[in-house]
Parts: sequence; C-alpha cells; structure tokens
Amino acid sequence: EAGVAQSPRYKIIEKRQSVAFWCNPISGHATLYWYQQILGQGPKLLIQFQNNGVVDDSQLPKDRFSAERLKGVDSTLKIQPAKLEDSAVYLCASSTSGGLSYGYTFGSGTRLTVV
Amino acid sequence: AQSVTQLDSHVSVSEGTPVLLRCNYSSSYSPSLFWYVQHPNKGLQLLLKYTSAATLVKGINGFEAEFKKSETSFHLTKPSAHMSDAAEYFCVVSEGDDKIIFGKGTRLHILP
Repeated sequence: EAGVAQSPRYKIIEKRQSVAFWCNPISGHATLYWYQQILGQGPKLLIQFQNNGVVDDSQLPKDRFSAERLKGVDSTLKIQPAKLEDSAVYLCASSTSGGLSYGYTFGSGTRLTVV
Repeated sequence: AQSVTQLDSHVSVSEGTPVLLRCNYSSSYSPSLFWYVQHPNKGLQLLLKYTSAATLVKGINGFEAEFKKSETSFHLTKPSAHMSDAAEYFCVVSEGDDKIIFGKGTRLHILP
C-alpha cells in the first residue's frame, strides 16, 4: 500500500514570499489532515477535511494560510505571505474515517525554512 | 478539556537497558491514547494504541504501555534498548474523531 505522499520535501523562502505544499493521501481515505510541527514541539492540527469539506480549521491562521481539497483527494496548503515563525515541518495525514483509531497514516512532511 | 504532558524532553539510556518514557494525560471522557515514533526525516509511525480494551498494550518493536486511570498515566516501556530506537516519541490523546492532542515529544538517546 502506498503511503501519504508530500512534496516538496524541503523549501527555503524569504519572509513575505508565498509557498504551497502538496499532499496525496492514501487511496480511499476520506479524511485528510494538515499539521504544523515547530522544532521541539508536537504536531499541531491546522485543518481537517472530510472528503472535500472542512471539518475543523479552528487553528488555521486564516489571514495567511489557506488549504483546499477540491476533488476530495489531493490537497494543497498555501502560506501567503510567509513569516519567520512559519518555519516548521508541515505534515499531512489521512485516515479512513475521523480519529486516530482508523488507519491514520502520516506523510514524511515538508520542512519549510523562512529566512 | 484534554491535554497531554510528556514529563521528559530527553531521555538517555545505554543499549541493552530498559527504556521508560513518561506520559500523563487529562481528559474529560474516556480517552484513546497512542504512542508515535518519529525517526529523523521520516513520517510519524504508530507504536501502539489504547482504546478501552486491555490496559497493558503491546506495540511494535518490543514496546508496550500501561494505561493507569488512577494515575492518569500511559508510560511507554521497552525491556532492552536498541540503537535503532533512537528517535522522537510522542504521546497522543484523542477524544472522538475531532480532538487530537500531541505531547511535546521525548527524544530518546541510546548510548553504546
């Protein structure tokens, strides 16, 4: 079974630039999550999709972050404009249903450095 | 409100000696509890999970954890550490489908 694919693996940008990350979940997984993991901390949920609808985006900084999952499969997360504090690893995860008990799988992440 | 506290940010043990990574949780309901491992530049991998069945949970790679409701703890143990166990470990609490909280992580160092 193929895992959760993310790209790019690494990205370095200057502050105030924009950046986009891509995630391809495991085939058939209805739920998709984006997490932000700052160095030295555990992952923090940014947004959760069920198919192509948003279930929870309460911790997404909506003034600069946006995410979409147009066809209920792939998803993109965008930051515009980036700030220094956005430097982190951005993890995508997917599951057959909501919750960690249902085949939850993480991608390897995209490491973003804002300079 | 739910929360999770990993009591040690770093733990160092010698190869072949026991491992203990401590985790305490707070939850309003009956939580599900998990341990994940993250090796450098790799994705998070599920080690084990507790979902209100047996309180002693066995996971992969010889790890196990015991759910103690009276102590609100879910400590991770392994009888004998291996060099390949060096990684970051996360304790996670979940209430239902939409509330998932990660601890800050414990970095495990294995000394030769």
